[in-house]
Parts: sequence; C-alpha cells; structure tokens
Amino acid sequence: DTAVSQTPKYLVTQMGNDKSIKCEQNLGHDTMYWYKQDSKKFLKIMFSYNNKELIINETVPNRFSPKSPDKAHLNLHINSLELGDSAVYFCASSQEGGVETQYFGPGTRLLVL
Amino acid sequence: QKEVEQDPGPLSVPEGAIVSLNCTYSNSAFQYFMWYRQYSRKGPELLMYTYSSGNKEDGRFTAQVDKSSKYISLFIRDSQPSDSATYLCAMEGFSSGSARQLTFGSGTQLTVLP
Repeated sequence: DTAVSQTPKYLVTQMGNDKSIKCEQNLGHDTMYWYKQDSKKFLKIMFSYNNKELIINETVPNRFSPKSPDKAHLNLHINSLELGDSAVYFCASSQEGGVETQYFGPGTRLLVL
Repeated sequence: QKEVEQDPGPLSVPEGAIVSLNCTYSNSAFQYFMWYRQYSRKGPELLMYTYSSGNKEDGRFTAQVDKSSKYISLFIRDSQPSDSATYLCAMEGFSSGSARQLTFGSGTQLTVLP
C-alpha cells in the first residue's frame, strides 16, 4: 500500500510548456513538501504546506506554484518550463512538527528539451 | 560554503566491511540529524535519526553525532551488496519563515562488492 505517491513518474516536455505534478499521501500526515533533486543528487526544499497552508516558500522562481486542495494532496504546477527545470521532483510528508521523520514519494523525473 | 558538506564518493567496499559515512555542518542551531538511503531511481527512505549529540544503534547501523565538532557519522557493519545506494545526511533547521525544514548533504554513493 503506497504511502506517498506521485504522478507522473516521468515527464518529457518542450521548453515553454506548462506542466503539473501531483502528490498524494495516505499516512494521515498534516505536512507535505516539494523537493528538487539535481543531477548531482543534491536535494533542496522548495515548498511546504501544513494543513493546506503554505509554511515554507524557498527561493524558487514564481513559475512554480504549489497548490494543496486538502491535507492529503499537494500539487506542483510549473509554467513556461526551462531547461534548468530538468530534475527529479520529490514529494514528502510528515506529521505536523515531525520534520525529522519525513516520508518521500518515488519522484517525478522531469526532462525539458 | 554549504551548510552541510558530504563527501560524494563514490565509495566501494568489499562485502562484510565496516563502512563509515560522514557529514560536517556549519549551523550550530541544528538539533535533529538524519540519515536517508536512496536506491537508484527511488525516493529517499529514512534510516534513522538522532536528536542532539550521542550515538544511536539500529541493527547493523550506528549513527553518531558530535555537536561540538559539528560532525555526524553513519557506520554500517557487515556491509551487504543490498546496502549499495546513495546515503544522504540531513539536518533540521529553520526556514526564513521560522518553519522547521531539512537541509540535506549532497549524498555519498556506496557500492558494496560481493
């Protein structure tokens, strides 16, 4: 039974397009996150939502817009995709305040051509 | 200078060896220290976490934190080929908005040879 799931797993698209990635968790957690992992495996926080409220918004281009329809879902919409957006995007979740026990999804591999 | 530094490797060891993985950090406010394992094309999975200084053991894995030196380690005893993965250290700090968040090292790629 998948705890944190993401769709799609792979995304290949052209520069300038708009795309969305979806994330769902069935762990009953209150907090969800988006991370970006570059080609050198460096994992960096982008956003975090707690009970549908944005609590972390790191220095990310405003082409990236997260949206949390409910506390079990966190989506990421990317406008006007650029080559540098190519990376693996991971969703994660934790109990409120339990940042030390985050559970990660399988990742979405985005390739911008 | 990055907040968390981790030797990227790659590190190759024979099966049965003791593996030592390390990270250093600069932010003295970090309180929680985590180790994640990431298999190729998978998401990171939490191995163990430690609060403040000290040791924590879980099976073949031991995590050590030395806050005075700003240095953390993960030891793997009797390493197995199934331990081959990238190991990421992570530390808990605060975002600019005062929310708790993790800061990751860049990961060490480990290969255990049969």
